[in-house]
Amino acid sequence: DAGVTQSPTHLIKTRGQQVTLRCSPKSGHDTVSWYQQALGQGPQFIFQYYEEEERQRGNFPDRFSGHQFPNYSSELNVNALLLGDSALYLCASGTSGPYNEQFFGPGTRLTVL
Amino acid sequence: DQQVKQNSPSLSVQEGRISILNCDYTNSMFDYFLWYKKYPAEGPTFLISISSIKDKNEDGRFTVFLNKSAKHLSLHIVPSQPGDSAVYFCAASEANAGNMLTFGGGTRLMVKP
Repeated sequence: DAGVTQSPTHLIKTRGQQVTLRCSPKSGHDTVSWYQQALGQGPQFIFQYYEEEERQRGNFPDRFSGHQFPNYSSELNVNALLLGDSALYLCASGTSGPYNEQFFGPGTRLTVL
Repeated sequence: DQQVKQNSPSLSVQEGRISILNCDYTNSMFDYFLWYKKYPAEGPTFLISISSIKDKNEDGRFTVFLNKSAKHLSLHIVPSQPGDSAVYFCAASEANAGNMLTFGGGTRLMVKP
């Protein structure tokens, strides 16, 4: 059983560009959450998707947007990239109820030059 | 304002001894707590969780203790093994906030042979 997969592994962009990151959840999971982890810090919640809709959102600007497809996979889009967007972007999948652990993918390392 | 804090950035322990990792939180609405382990170039891996109706949960060498009045939780690893060397994150969530996780900044554990 494949766990959570993410692509690409690494990405280099320049300021002002746009980027799309992809995530496939673990089999049987219906929610996908995205987190940003800056160097030396814990992951920060960006948003969560369930039933193809954004269910919750953290304290991130509208430049960060996402999508969930009928097969539960998800994309994270970031527009007008800033140097401060350089981070590890983690995708996590789980089931929709509370009190359930989330399973994380290996992440996409984004570098903005 | 950091709602989940891990005040020790690093911890060094001898193989075979007990490792104790600590975590404090400020949001009294948190009712589910998790510990994740992270190796370099990998996503966080779920270790153990505890709900607010319990004060202790054990899984093999790992035990999590929750002190709600002090808003404090700890992870005990007994006995510690060199393979336990990693960064450990505590995370918390609220039942009415779905599976959104708020993470601490992490503690790097080094277990020396």
